[in-house]
Amino acid sequence: NAGVTQTPKFQVLKTGQSMTLQCAQDMNHNSMYWYRQDPGMGLRLIYYSASEGTTDKGEVPNGYNVSRLNKREFSLRLESAAPSQTSVYFCASSESVSYGYTFGSGTRLTVV
Amino acid sequence: KQEVTQIPAALSVPEGENLVLNCSFTDSAIYNLQWFRQDPGKGLTSLLLIQSSQREQTSGRLNASLDKSSGRSTLYIAASQPGDSATYLCAVPLGNTDKLIFGTGTRLQVFP
Repeated sequence: NAGVTQTPKFQVLKTGQSMTLQCAQDMNHNSMYWYRQDPGMGLRLIYYSASEGTTDKGEVPNGYNVSRLNKREFSLRLESAAPSQTSVYFCASSESVSYGYTFGSGTRLTVV
Repeated sequence: KQEVTQIPAALSVPEGENLVLNCSFTDSAIYNLQWFRQDPGKGLTSLLLIQSSQREQTSGRLNASLDKSSGRSTLYIAASQPGDSATYLCAVPLGNTDKLIFGTGTRLQVFP
């Protein structure tokens, strides 16, 4: 059972480039999330999806877009990368608030 | 606004010690509280999930308690081992949503 799978694990972008971070879960969870983790800031929610076809903004959505392609997949897109988006990005999923979260292993993104 | 604080930010102890990590939250109307472990460069692993109706949860050498009225949770680690070295994070849902609010973590080092 793979759980939550994120790709790629590492990426270096130049300022202004675009890219999509992929996330897939095989636990049939309804909710999926994208967080970023920065030193001293903890994890902050970028976007989340409560079910297939729905998405909503979190605490730090600016500069990002998301797509809930189906129940399994939730992608995060950076249209024009900026150095401030250098971070570690985590995808997570949950069945409901009662059952807790499962996290992916993260994508370490550097924007130069 | 829900805020989650963890003290201390870092802790270094010799192997074999029993230790307590603290987590406090400002809004006591939480649905549950979750403790995670994060190894360097890795994702988050769920350790314990305490529902609002519970006072504590145990898993092996780990015991987490919850006192909603005082806005506090503690993670007790018995007979610490070098393999326990990691960052420990607590998180609570925002209101009755699935969105988690994280503390900034306690970085634990257990030396032989």
